[in-house]
Amino acid sequence: GQNIDQPTEMTATEGAIVQINCTYQTSGFNGLFWYQQHAGEAPTFLSYNVLDGLEEKGRFSSFLSRSKGYSYLLLKELQMKDSASYLCAAMDSNYQLIWGAGTKLIIKP
Amino acid sequence: IAGITQAPTSQILAAGRRMTLRCTQDMRHNAMYWYRQDLGLGLRLIHYSNTAGTTGKGEVPDGYSVSRANTDDFPLTLASAVPSQTSVYFCASSDWKRDMNEQFFGPGTRLTVL
Repeated sequence: GQNIDQPTEMTATEGAIVQINCTYQTSGFNGLFWYQQHAGEAPTFLSYNVLDGLEEKGRFSSFLSRSKGYSYLLLKELQMKDSASYLCAAMDSNYQLIWGAGTKLIIKP
Repeated sequence: IAGITQAPTSQILAAGRRMTLRCTQDMRHNAMYWYRQDLGLGLRLIHYSNTAGTTGKGEVPDGYSVSRANTDDFPLTLASAVPSQTSVYFCASSDWKRDMNEQFFGPGTRLTVL
């Protein structure tokens, strides 16, 4: 079957660094997405990885290891506005996204 | 219009009633999707359409139907609503010409079936 696993909730301090992990099992693989979703709002795109390695975009970076079925999202210099849920999604052989349940990130002052 | 719009924003519906959720995009994306999001379960695909005139079933299609008469609109119909269909519904679209196939989401419809 197809499955995405990520932690349910994480807590971090303003100004710190946090890493949100995601493991996936899909029928075929065409890339790994990270989305951010603030409470009561729609998901918005953060990053996409299809090749192994690290993609950096400002304070956010995303890493992929295809051989391990593993990705992480790294958030640096945390700000209070980063409090949100972070959704991991893998694209399968039919180019459909398989979604994790999301990781709720709580930022404390 | 800029992006994707959904209507209504929220709705309370009696069980057994018929309901259509509307979705319109102005980005000329060829693919559109309907998801439901329930606490602890993440987004689950209900139906999708890769191009106007075609539709396909997702992970949880039972009790729902869709149509794609043109590129911009992708309505979702609940023929006879049941309480288990209480959820937040998101419409999304993407451009199949791009390898990345990034999906853009509408603001969502919060549906309560009593």
